[in-house]
Amino acid sequence: NAGVMQNPRHLVRRRGQEARLRCSPMKGHSHVYWYRQLPEEGLKFMVYLQKENIIDESGMPKERFSAEFPKEGPSILRIQQVVRGDSAAYFCASSPVVPSYNEQFFGPGTRLTVL
Amino acid sequence: AQSVTQLGSHVSVSEGALVLLRCNYSSSVPPYLFWYVQYPNQGLQLLLKYTSAATLVKGINGFEAEFKKSETSFHLTKPSAHMSDAAEYFCAVSVSTASKLTFGTGTRLQVTL
Repeated sequence: NAGVMQNPRHLVRRRGQEARLRCSPMKGHSHVYWYRQLPEEGLKFMVYLQKENIIDESGMPKERFSAEFPKEGPSILRIQQVVRGDSAAYFCASSPVVPSYNEQFFGPGTRLTVL
Repeated sequence: AQSVTQLGSHVSVSEGALVLLRCNYSSSVPPYLFWYVQYPNQGLQLLLKYTSAATLVKGINGFEAEFKKSETSFHLTKPSAHMSDAAEYFCAVSVSTASKLTFGTGTRLQVTL
């Protein structure tokens, strides 16, 4: 059973460009969470999605950031008009259809560098 | 709202010595508690979780943690450190079976010869 997949693993963008980060949850998982890790900091929650629904977006910046988890395909975290402060590692986690104790399985992350 | 405090951003131990990483939590409801480990440039791997079934929780790689409600603590221990334990450790809390994890700021464990 493959783990959580994220791509790309590394992404370089210039200021003002768009970044698209993809996350494929583990097989049988329908809950997806996105977290951001700034240098030398812990992980901060961004958004929680189920198929075609945003459940909790309390950690998402109000502008430029959006997330989706369509019926088919991976979850996408989209950052428009990136700025240097967006440089971070972005992690996706998934949990099963019926979550057990909220155990979340993490992907390897996408490291975004904004030049 | 829930929160986690990890005391000590860096901990250094000798190989073979006891490892103790501290975590205190705050939660308005009975929490689920987790310890994750992160190796450089990798994702997070679950070490162990507390789900109210038992206060002493055993995890992978010889780690264990004890839930102490009176002290609102969930400290991580390992009797004998190994060089391969050098990594960053994160304590996390959640308040339901399907909700965000709130992480502490992490503790970097260094293991010396």
